[in-house]
Amino acid sequence: DQQVKQNSPSLSVQEGRISILNCDYTNSMFDYFLWYKKYPAEGPTFLISISSIKDKNEDGRFTVFLNKSAKHLSLHIVPSQPGDSAVYFCAAKEGGIQGAQKLVFGQGTRLTINP
Amino acid sequence: GAGVSQSPSNKVTEKGKDVELRCDPISGHTALYWYRQSLGQGLEFLIYFQGNSAPDKSGLPSDRFSAERTGGSVSTLTIQRTQQEDSAVYLCASSLHGEQFFGPGTRLTVL
Repeated sequence: DQQVKQNSPSLSVQEGRISILNCDYTNSMFDYFLWYKKYPAEGPTFLISISSIKDKNEDGRFTVFLNKSAKHLSLHIVPSQPGDSAVYFCAAKEGGIQGAQKLVFGQGTRLTINP
Repeated sequence: GAGVSQSPSNKVTEKGKDVELRCDPISGHTALYWYRQSLGQGLEFLIYFQGNSAPDKSGLPSDRFSAERTGGSVSTLTIQRTQQEDSAVYLCASSLHGEQFFGPGTRLTVL
């Protein structure tokens, strides 16, 4: 039972354009969502998060949008840069930001930024 | 060190052998997590330690898997009688308030 799904295993975007990575979830108890970025041979690093009380959170070139009714979130990167090439994981949890509980991850999307 | 460290970085073992994977969390972090990532899959939760509370073992796939955390710091994940399907990257993370910081992982290959 895949509670968090990233249906695009890969995405290729031209440098300078917008990258949009999508994520869907099924568990209505999830109330905190995170995006992680992973380079080869390294552990995932936290990128940006959003609480279910919001529908948008922005941090520099990165913006996460949450549509609770559709149980869908997306990560927008604009403008895309070659260093953004990595695998991006969507993750969800219950208990809000402070809830020290397990993260449920999607399968990841490999983003490639072409010069 | 400043981050989460894991050892070994790579482990190749024969089917049926036992293996131990080590995680050194960030100093002062009270929560410690183990995940694994199989080929082409997302990260799968295995077990979670929070302070002195009983660990959440709900993600362990079988009784061949166990983990302990000594002195509230270092953790060891043990896999007994390894099987080929145990081959994966095993990731450890630690946290203090919410955000989890991951180590580089141990790549386990069971031949």
